[in-house]
Amino acid sequence: SQQGEEDPQALSIQEGENATMNCSYKTSINNLQWYRQNSGRGLVHLILIRSNEREKHSGRLRVTLDTSKKSSSLLITASRAADTASYFCATVSQTDSWGKLQFGAGTQVVVTP
Amino acid sequence: GAGVSQSPSNKVTEKGKDVELRCDPISGHTALYWYRQSLGQGLEFLIYFQGNSAPDKSGLPSDRFSAERTGGSVSTLTIQRTQQEDSAVYLCASSLALGQGYPNDFGPGTRLLVL
Repeated sequence: SQQGEEDPQALSIQEGENATMNCSYKTSINNLQWYRQNSGRGLVHLILIRSNEREKHSGRLRVTLDTSKKSSSLLITASRAADTASYFCATVSQTDSWGKLQFGAGTQVVVTP
Repeated sequence: GAGVSQSPSNKVTEKGKDVELRCDPISGHTALYWYRQSLGQGLEFLIYFQGNSAPDKSGLPSDRFSAERTGGSVSTLTIQRTQQEDSAVYLCASSLALGQGYPNDFGPGTRLLVL
Protein backbone atom coordinates (compact mmCIF):
# COMPACT_ATOMS: atom_id res chain seq x y z
CA SER A 1 0.00 0.00 0.00
CA GLN A 2 1.16 3.54 -0.61
CA GLN A 3 2.04 5.67 2.37
CA GLY A 4 2.15 9.01 0.61
CA GLU A 5 -0.47 10.76 -1.46
CA GLU A 6 0.55 13.63 -3.70
CA ASP A 7 -1.69 16.47 -4.68
CA PRO A 8 -2.34 17.55 -7.36
CA GLN A 9 -1.93 14.54 -9.61
CA ALA A 10 -0.96 16.83 -12.47
CA LEU A 11 0.20 20.43 -12.74
CA SER A 12 0.78 22.54 -15.83
CA ILE A 13 2.57 25.87 -15.55
CA GLN A 14 4.61 28.28 -17.64
CA GLU A 15 8.30 28.90 -17.34
CA GLY A 16 9.09 31.35 -14.59
CA GLU A 17 6.09 30.43 -12.49
CA ASN A 18 6.31 28.60 -9.19
CA ALA A 19 5.08 25.03 -8.81
CA THR A 20 3.74 23.73 -5.54
CA MET A 21 2.79 20.18 -4.78
CA ASN A 22 1.72 18.54 -1.57
CA CYS A 23 2.18 15.17 0.04
CA SER A 24 0.18 13.62 2.84
CA TYR A 25 1.12 10.48 4.70
CA LYS A 26 -0.46 8.23 7.25
CA THR A 27 1.97 7.06 9.92
CA SER A 28 4.66 8.65 12.07
CA ILE A 29 7.84 9.01 10.11
CA ASN A 30 11.57 9.38 10.58
CA ASN A 31 12.06 11.42 7.45
CA LEU A 32 10.43 12.40 4.20
CA GLN A 33 12.07 12.68 0.84
CA TRP A 34 11.26 14.07 -2.56
CA TYR A 35 12.36 12.49 -5.81
CA ARG A 36 12.08 13.52 -9.44
CA GLN A 37 11.59 11.17 -12.36
CA ASN A 38 11.96 12.36 -15.91
CA SER A 39 10.00 10.46 -18.51
CA GLY A 40 11.45 6.99 -19.04
CA ARG A 41 14.33 7.61 -16.65
CA GLY A 42 15.33 6.51 -13.16
CA LEU A 43 14.60 8.50 -10.05
CA VAL A 44 16.76 11.34 -8.83
CA HIS A 45 16.85 12.16 -5.14
CA LEU A 46 16.08 15.84 -4.56
CA ILE A 47 15.92 16.53 -0.86
CA LEU A 48 15.45 14.88 2.51
CA ILE A 49 13.75 16.51 5.46
CA ARG A 50 13.89 14.93 8.91
CA SER A 51 10.93 14.70 11.23
CA ASN A 52 12.41 17.37 13.55
CA GLU A 53 12.83 19.86 10.71
CA ARG A 54 10.12 22.19 9.44
CA GLU A 55 11.66 23.67 6.33
CA LYS A 56 14.56 22.98 4.06
CA HIS A 57 15.98 24.67 0.97
CA SER A 58 18.09 23.39 -1.88
CA GLY A 59 18.64 25.75 -4.79
CA ARG A 60 15.21 26.53 -6.28
CA LEU A 61 13.55 23.89 -4.10
CA ARG A 62 11.83 24.55 -0.82
CA VAL A 63 10.36 21.74 1.24
CA THR A 64 8.19 22.09 4.31
CA LEU A 65 7.09 19.44 6.76
CA ASP A 66 4.20 19.58 9.18
CA THR A 67 4.24 16.43 11.27
CA SER A 68 1.08 17.44 13.14
CA LYS A 69 -0.83 17.41 9.85
CA LYS A 70 1.25 14.59 8.40
CA SER A 71 1.92 16.64 5.30
CA SER A 72 4.76 18.09 3.27
CA SER A 73 5.01 20.49 0.38
CA LEU A 74 7.55 20.92 -2.38
CA LEU A 75 7.91 24.33 -4.00
CA ILE A 76 9.88 24.82 -7.18
CA THR A 77 10.55 28.49 -7.77
CA ALA A 78 11.12 30.11 -11.16
CA SER A 79 10.37 26.87 -12.99
CA ARG A 80 12.14 25.86 -16.17
CA ALA A 81 11.16 23.56 -19.00
CA ALA A 82 13.76 21.12 -17.67
CA ASP A 83 11.71 20.80 -14.46
CA THR A 84 9.10 18.87 -16.43
CA ALA A 85 8.95 15.53 -14.63
CA SER A 86 7.01 13.50 -12.11
CA TYR A 87 7.69 14.31 -8.49
CA PHE A 88 7.29 11.75 -5.72
CA CYS A 89 7.37 11.99 -1.98
CA ALA A 90 8.62 9.02 -0.02
CA THR A 91 8.54 8.31 3.68
CA VAL A 92 10.17 5.97 6.12
CA SER A 93 7.78 4.93 8.85
CA GLN A 94 9.11 4.87 12.39
CA THR A 95 8.02 1.25 12.64
CA ASP A 96 9.76 0.11 9.47
CA SER A 97 13.40 -0.50 8.72
CA TRP A 98 15.05 2.60 7.34
CA GLY A 99 15.48 1.12 3.89
CA LYS A 100 11.78 0.58 3.35
CA LEU A 101 10.64 3.75 1.62
CA GLN A 102 6.97 4.12 0.82
CA PHE A 103 6.25 6.23 -2.25
CA GLY A 104 3.20 8.17 -3.30
CA ALA A 105 1.72 8.04 -6.80
CA GLY A 106 3.41 11.29 -7.80
CA THR A 107 2.59 14.70 -9.25
CA GLN A 108 3.18 15.09 -12.95
CA VAL A 109 4.50 18.59 -13.66
CA VAL A 110 4.63 20.08 -17.13
CA VAL A 111 6.45 23.37 -17.62
CA THR A 112 5.82 25.03 -20.94
CA PRO A 113 8.23 27.58 -22.43
CA GLY B 1 31.80 7.10 -11.99
CA ALA B 2 29.50 4.33 -13.12
CA GLY B 3 26.00 4.41 -11.74
CA VAL B 4 23.61 1.60 -10.93
CA SER B 5 23.09 -0.62 -13.95
CA GLN B 6 20.31 -3.08 -14.66
CA SER B 7 19.80 -5.77 -17.23
CA PRO B 8 17.99 -6.47 -19.36
CA SER B 9 16.51 -3.06 -20.08
CA ASN B 10 13.41 -4.69 -21.54
CA LYS B 11 12.00 -8.16 -21.13
CA VAL B 12 8.96 -9.68 -22.80
CA THR B 13 7.91 -13.07 -21.55
CA GLU B 14 4.97 -15.40 -21.67
CA LYS B 15 2.73 -16.02 -18.72
CA GLY B 16 4.03 -18.88 -16.64
CA LYS B 17 7.70 -18.45 -17.53
CA ASP B 18 10.40 -17.53 -15.03
CA VAL B 19 12.45 -14.34 -15.38
CA GLU B 20 15.65 -13.08 -13.80
CA LEU B 21 16.44 -9.40 -13.48
CA ARG B 22 19.93 -8.24 -12.63
CA CYS B 23 21.22 -5.23 -10.75
CA ASP B 24 24.81 -4.02 -10.48
CA PRO B 25 25.04 -1.45 -7.69
CA ILE B 26 27.60 1.29 -7.40
CA SER B 27 30.89 -0.13 -6.17
CA GLY B 28 31.20 0.19 -2.41
CA HIS B 29 27.49 0.65 -1.78
CA THR B 30 26.43 -1.84 0.84
CA ALA B 31 22.69 -1.20 0.68
CA LEU B 32 20.68 -2.38 -2.33
CA TYR B 33 16.97 -1.95 -2.95
CA TRP B 34 14.41 -3.32 -5.37
CA TYR B 35 11.22 -1.46 -6.22
CA ARG B 36 8.66 -1.84 -8.95
CA GLN B 37 6.60 0.79 -10.68
CA SER B 38 3.38 0.01 -12.46
CA LEU B 39 2.20 2.32 -15.22
CA GLY B 40 1.32 5.75 -13.84
CA GLN B 41 1.97 4.69 -10.27
CA GLY B 42 4.52 5.38 -7.60
CA LEU B 43 7.17 2.95 -6.55
CA GLU B 44 6.31 -0.16 -4.58
CA PHE B 45 8.95 -1.44 -2.19
CA LEU B 46 9.95 -5.06 -2.76
CA ILE B 47 13.11 -5.88 -0.84
CA TYR B 48 16.29 -4.36 0.46
CA PHE B 49 19.70 -5.72 1.42
CA GLN B 50 22.06 -4.17 3.93
CA GLY B 51 25.52 -5.65 4.12
CA ASN B 52 25.48 -9.12 5.64
CA SER B 53 22.23 -8.58 7.52
CA ALA B 54 19.11 -10.54 6.68
CA PRO B 55 17.26 -8.72 3.90
CA ASP B 56 13.97 -6.97 4.53
CA LYS B 57 11.73 -8.78 2.08
CA SER B 58 8.45 -7.68 3.53
CA GLY B 59 7.45 -6.03 0.25
CA LEU B 60 7.64 -9.10 -1.96
CA PRO B 61 4.07 -9.60 -3.22
CA SER B 62 4.09 -13.40 -3.30
CA ASP B 63 6.33 -16.42 -2.90
CA ARG B 64 6.87 -16.36 -6.66
CA PHE B 65 9.25 -13.46 -6.04
CA SER B 66 12.71 -13.94 -4.61
CA ALA B 67 15.97 -12.04 -4.63
CA GLU B 68 19.52 -12.71 -3.70
CA ARG B 69 22.67 -10.71 -3.46
CA THR B 70 25.85 -12.63 -3.96
CA GLY B 71 29.14 -11.41 -2.53
CA GLY B 72 27.53 -8.23 -1.30
CA SER B 73 27.43 -6.79 -4.79
CA VAL B 74 25.30 -7.97 -7.73
CA SER B 75 21.68 -8.78 -7.03
CA THR B 76 19.21 -10.92 -8.95
CA LEU B 77 15.44 -10.63 -8.66
CA THR B 78 13.66 -13.78 -9.81
CA ILE B 79 10.00 -14.02 -10.64
CA GLN B 80 8.70 -17.55 -11.08
CA ARG B 81 5.61 -18.48 -13.06
CA THR B 82 5.08 -14.90 -14.18
CA GLN B 83 1.59 -13.44 -14.29
CA GLN B 84 0.29 -10.51 -16.33
CA GLU B 85 0.00 -8.40 -13.18
CA ASP B 86 3.78 -8.70 -12.78
CA SER B 87 4.19 -6.36 -15.76
CA ALA B 88 5.94 -3.25 -14.47
CA VAL B 89 9.24 -1.43 -14.43
CA TYR B 90 11.56 -2.99 -11.87
CA LEU B 91 13.96 -0.46 -10.39
CA CYS B 92 17.08 -1.14 -8.40
CA ALA B 93 18.88 1.38 -6.23
CA SER B 94 21.92 1.41 -3.99
CA SER B 95 23.35 3.61 -1.29
CA LEU B 96 26.19 3.87 1.15
CA ALA B 97 24.94 2.44 4.38
CA LEU B 98 26.76 4.68 6.76
CA GLY B 99 25.01 7.98 7.26
CA GLN B 100 22.75 7.58 4.28
CA GLY B 101 19.64 5.64 4.98
CA TYR B 102 17.86 6.10 1.72
CA PRO B 103 18.28 5.01 -1.90
CA ASN B 104 20.09 7.80 -3.64
CA ASP B 105 21.15 6.22 -6.87
CA PHE B 106 18.58 4.46 -9.00
CA GLY B 107 19.21 2.36 -12.06
CA PRO B 108 17.30 2.89 -15.30
CA GLY B 109 15.04 -0.08 -14.60
CA THR B 110 13.98 -3.24 -16.38
CA ARG B 111 10.67 -2.96 -18.18
CA LEU B 112 8.93 -6.32 -17.86
CA LEU B 113 5.95 -7.23 -20.00
CA VAL B 114 4.16 -10.50 -19.37
CA LEU B 115 1.94 -11.57 -22.24
